[in-house]
Amino acid sequence: GAVVSQHPSWVICKSGTSVKIECRSLDFQATTMFWYRQFPKQSLMLMATSNEGSKATYEQGVEKDKFLINHASLTLSTLTVTSAHPEDSSFYICSARDRRTTNEKLFFGSGTQLSVL
Amino acid sequence: GQQVMQIPQYQHVQEGEDFTTYCNSSTTLSNIQWYKQRPGGHPVFLIQLVKSGEVKKQKRLTFQFGEAKKNSSLHITATQTTDVGTYFCAGGHNQGGKLIFGQGTELSVKP
Repeated sequence: GAVVSQHPSWVICKSGTSVKIECRSLDFQATTMFWYRQFPKQSLMLMATSNEGSKATYEQGVEKDKFLINHASLTLSTLTVTSAHPEDSSFYICSARDRRTTNEKLFFGSGTQLSVL
Repeated sequence: GQQVMQIPQYQHVQEGEDFTTYCNSSTTLSNIQWYKQRPGGHPVFLIQLVKSGEVKKQKRLTFQFGEAKKNSSLHITATQTTDVGTYFCAGGHNQGGKLIFGQGTELSVKP
């Protein structure tokens, strides 16, 4: 089946630094990727929709200058958490949809646990 | 805005008992999907429902989509310890669009 690779799996950083998370579709092309944030034992909160070759669409309340999204190719989207602070600590997970199919299902990456000290 | 509510938040059952989780959308959906997330893992797609009143089965799992396409349910018959995890519904409103996830139901099964 389709595989989405996400890395790093976990990262610890100091407050004020920036962290980049990569999401790659390994065996399919994805014109659209989605970035979610998940707190322990809670749901997946959609942060933004990443569109290949164009600007990302952010959900209400998500700071676009804080969470920079780049979707430079059909297989890669990146999320950069800029000037990270402890409140940004969370589990970030990406997902992608195979552009070849009309099926709406999402393939998820394994997620990135971010801890900001 | 668009919301998808899911209940219950937690369900603890004895192995062999049945389990049901319910999902309700504030707006009419074009499709609803169900995902399972094992502890420490990522969500894995289970199924997609598109048609009004649709019912689909996967072994012990039965999925339903309401007539009005605003609610859905997942029923597991005779739970097993391998069913442990959090089950999420996710509603879509248009082809290729975003999915709004419910809060999830965490299922624990006591052997």
